[in-house]
Amino acid sequence: EVQLVESGGGLAQPGGSLRLSCAASGFTLNNYWMTWVRQAPGKGLEWVANIKRDGSERYYVDSVKGRFTISRDNAKNSLYLQMNSLRVEDTAVYYCARGLGTTITVDFWGQGTLVTVSS
Amino acid sequence: SSELTQDPAVSVALGQTVRITCQGDILSKYYATWYQQKPGQAPLLVLYGDNTRPSGIPDRFSGSTSGNTGSLTIIGAQAEDEADYYCNSRDTSDHHLLFGGGTKLTVL
Repeated sequence: EVQLVESGGGLAQPGGSLRLSCAASGFTLNNYWMTWVRQAPGKGLEWVANIKRDGSERYYVDSVKGRFTISRDNAKNSLYLQMNSLRVEDTAVYYCARGLGTTITVDFWGQGTLVTVSS
Repeated sequence: SSELTQDPAVSVALGQTVRITCQGDILSKYYATWYQQKPGQAPLLVLYGDNTRPSGIPDRFSGSTSGNTGSLTIIGAQAEDEADYYCNSRDTSDHHLLFGGGTKLTVL
């Protein structure tokens, strides 16, 4: 059974940092692009970042560029999102998601982890 | 970057047909992908590519594209289809992804 389980969310102060993790199981992580998508409370979905199968390419939405870093450890079947210089507007549920086949299109989502940025 | 525009809300009578649309210039280049999200749940892929449904998605869901508009059609809507629906596509920056603002579907 394919599973993606996010962890690491919680409360952070503006300017603070959090590191999200996503544990993958039921498939071979290094065969897939992986993506982070977020959803602010009561709002729509927003793509945050994605990373190529071997980690050699990474892409970010402009609003997080320079503050967030996506990474992966295929040997540990894990995806990460290091979030620095957090802002109130980063408050959201963060979803880890798997690519469809060899594409960047997302086909499977984790259940998400809530990040709240507040003083 | 591009934008994808969806109607905020659509309603359909039980058993009737409803079309949810997604408009954006990028859809003349890439197919729309569609996700269903129910309250408190993660999104679920329902359509991708040229009208392809993942395993387990009922065949009452279908997709189409005309010009710069992608559509998700539900023929014979059921109560369990009530959800938010999001379209998605690659962006002009080829490895970026875009989401539409979502359409809240109410089944009456």
